[in-house]
Amino acid sequence: EAQVTQNPRYLITVTGKKLTVTCSQNMNHEYMSWYRQDPGLGLRQIYYSMNVEVTDKGDVPEGYKVSRKEKRNFPLILESPSPNQTSLYFCASINRAGTGELFFGEGSRLTVL
Amino acid sequence: KNEVEQSPQNLTAQEGEFITINCSYSVGISALHWLQQHPGGGIVSLFMLSSGKKKHGRLIATINIQEKHSSLHITASHPRDSAVYICAVDRGAQKLVFGQGTRLTINP
Repeated sequence: EAQVTQNPRYLITVTGKKLTVTCSQNMNHEYMSWYRQDPGLGLRQIYYSMNVEVTDKGDVPEGYKVSRKEKRNFPLILESPSPNQTSLYFCASINRAGTGELFFGEGSRLTVL
Repeated sequence: KNEVEQSPQNLTAQEGEFITINCSYSVGISALHWLQQHPGGGIVSLFMLSSGKKKHGRLIATINIQEKHSSLHITASHPRDSAVYICAVDRGAQKLVFGQGTRLTINP
């Protein structure tokens, strides 16, 4: 089954404690991206990757890092989380070589105290 | 002004009604996506359009590139269609910009 898998789905942490949200896709898509969703602001792009070792900033990259060492994985790293990073995070991949369809992970709800 | 504007923000209708959700954008795009987000958060892709019209079951999506406008229609609406519908434009350079979403409630 084609899918994008995120972990953890829910996390409560404290300010400054480094965390990583993992994202993995099994469709061999080259393009992957991270978004955060906040009430009243909708979905906003954090980082995206067009291929292995190719990443670029989206609209709200501050406080986040990413890496793309292999095609299937695109982890989101919060080196020193702050309360303003409390949000619902989505990872997605796009079948750019085919239909252009977007595939989203189930979301990771992060709370930073 | 947001690059992508959806209307209405909220829509409540009775089962069986014909539903239209609109999306207007102000930038050049290579494609437009319609997404569905159910309570609980998961997001599902409904359509990807670069021109014309697409149909899938009771859902129809159209786009007018010259007018920078897209519509999502739902025929014979059902309570299970209740969700947030999100328009997203692909600006090229791999950047997506999302509308605020339209919260649709279909009452039995």
